Amino acid sequence: AQSVTQLGSHVSVSEGALVLLRCNYSSSVPPYLFWYVQYPNQGLQLLLKYTSAATLVKGINGFEAEFKKSETSFHLTKPSAHMSDAAEYFCAVSVAGRRALTFGSGTRLQVQP
Amino acid sequence: EAQVTQNPRYLITVTGKKLTVTCSQNMNHEYMSWYRQDPGLGLRQIYYSMNVEVTDKGDVPEGYKVSRKEKRNFPLILESPSPNQTSLYFCASSFKERTEAFFGQGTRLTVV
Repeated sequence: AQSVTQLGSHVSVSEGALVLLRCNYSSSVPPYLFWYVQYPNQGLQLLLKYTSAATLVKGINGFEAEFKKSETSFHLTKPSAHMSDAAEYFCAVSVAGRRALTFGSGTRLQVQP
Repeated sequence: EAQVTQNPRYLITVTGKKLTVTCSQNMNHEYMSWYRQDPGLGLRQIYYSMNVEVTDKGDVPEGYKVSRKEKRNFPLILESPSPNQTSLYFCASSFKERTEAFFGQGTRLTVV
C-alpha cells in the first residue's frame, strides 16, 4: 500500500526566506506525485505534479519539487517566501490501479513579515 | 469558467436527519470523487466514480452513499448522519485516472 508522510505540521519562515516543505512517500510501484495548496476557506489547487518525466518539476507561484527515488522524497521548495504563500500544503501520491489520491496530513506554512 | 461546484458550503444538522450534498462539474470529466478532510489526517477518499452509473468505495465509505446518474453530477448522501461525520467535505473531478484533480470549495458539515 502507498502512503505519504509530511514532516512538520507547521512551518514558519520569514518573508524572503527559503521555503522547504518535506514529503516522503512509500509505494511499491512507480508513483505519480502531486503538491496541492489550500488557502483558507477554499478548495485544493494543484501546485505541481511529477509523472515520471523530468525529476525536477516546476509549478505555479515559483514553487518547484524534486523527485528523488533513492530517498523516496518529493520535497517542495521556493527560493523566497511571500506573504501570499501562507496556506496549507498537501503532498499526494497516485499509483496505477488505485483510484484514490493518497494525501499526507498537510503542512501549514506561516510567513512572518 | 471551469469549476467544481458544491452546495451547500455550510450545513448544521441533527443526528439521523438525511441530507444530500450536491456536486457538479462543467469540464466533462469522467472521474469524480468525494473526500473528507479531518485535522491531522489529510484528505481521505469516501467514494469515487469512473463514469455514469459506475461508482466504487474509497477508503472511508461507511455511512455514505453516492450516485452518478449524469456525467456532471455526483451527489453525496448521508442517510442517517452521526456526529463522527462532522467534517469538511470536498468533491473533485479529473479528466481521467491519475490526472490533475479539480476540487470544489468544500462543504463544512456539523452533525449535532
